[in-house]
Amino acid sequence: QQQVKQSPQSLIVQKGGISIINCAYENTAFDYFPWYQQFPGKGPALLIAIRPDVSEKKEGRFTISFNKSAKQFSLHIMDSQPGDSATYFCAASRNYGQNFVFGPGTRLSVLP
Amino acid sequence: ETGVTQSPTHLIKTRGQQVTLRCSSQSGHNTVSWYQQALGQGPQFIFQYYREEENGRGNFPPRFSGLQFPNYSSELNVNALELDDSALYLCASSSDPGDTQYFGPGTRLTVL
Repeated sequence: QQQVKQSPQSLIVQKGGISIINCAYENTAFDYFPWYQQFPGKGPALLIAIRPDVSEKKEGRFTISFNKSAKQFSLHIMDSQPGDSATYFCAASRNYGQNFVFGPGTRLSVLP
Repeated sequence: ETGVTQSPTHLIKTRGQQVTLRCSSQSGHNTVSWYQQALGQGPQFIFQYYREEENGRGNFPPRFSGLQFPNYSSELNVNALELDDSALYLCASSSDPGDTQYFGPGTRLTVL
């Protein structure tokens, strides 16, 4: 119930294309869903986050789509750039919960 | 506003030794969470400290212990090191438990 599943494990996209990463969860008590971006040798950096009272949130080229009934959420990166090449983690937590549960990560490579 | 800092950057220990990792939280943050990230995996929650008290613990043995100081900086102590303890140890701070977590760059621990 505490798991967050993430797919695909790796993704290769051409420059200018759309990158889509999907996550699914079981625990309906989760109510905060952030996405983190991690470059090699660095800590994860918050990219964008959503709460389940909205179905979509957009910040620049990054969009989260959230489907509460299916218990799924996804990250869309529009106009993908080589600089977006990194590992992306979805996560979930309960309000004022101590434990952020992370997905296993998706390694994105954007080809020039 | 300074971000989350961690020290040391890298550390090499031998099996059976003890190690202390340090974390300075972001200005204004009273909550620190520690994560273990094995190579190629997502971060795994170790424990969280809120206002100097442990505020939740993941599935880690008691030889993983921590401390939070009045200035909200924190330490992670690991006793009786095992080879499997080799990982990137991440510290994240937040303004309250469950709020957005901001990660430091991590400490890379290698156990030989």
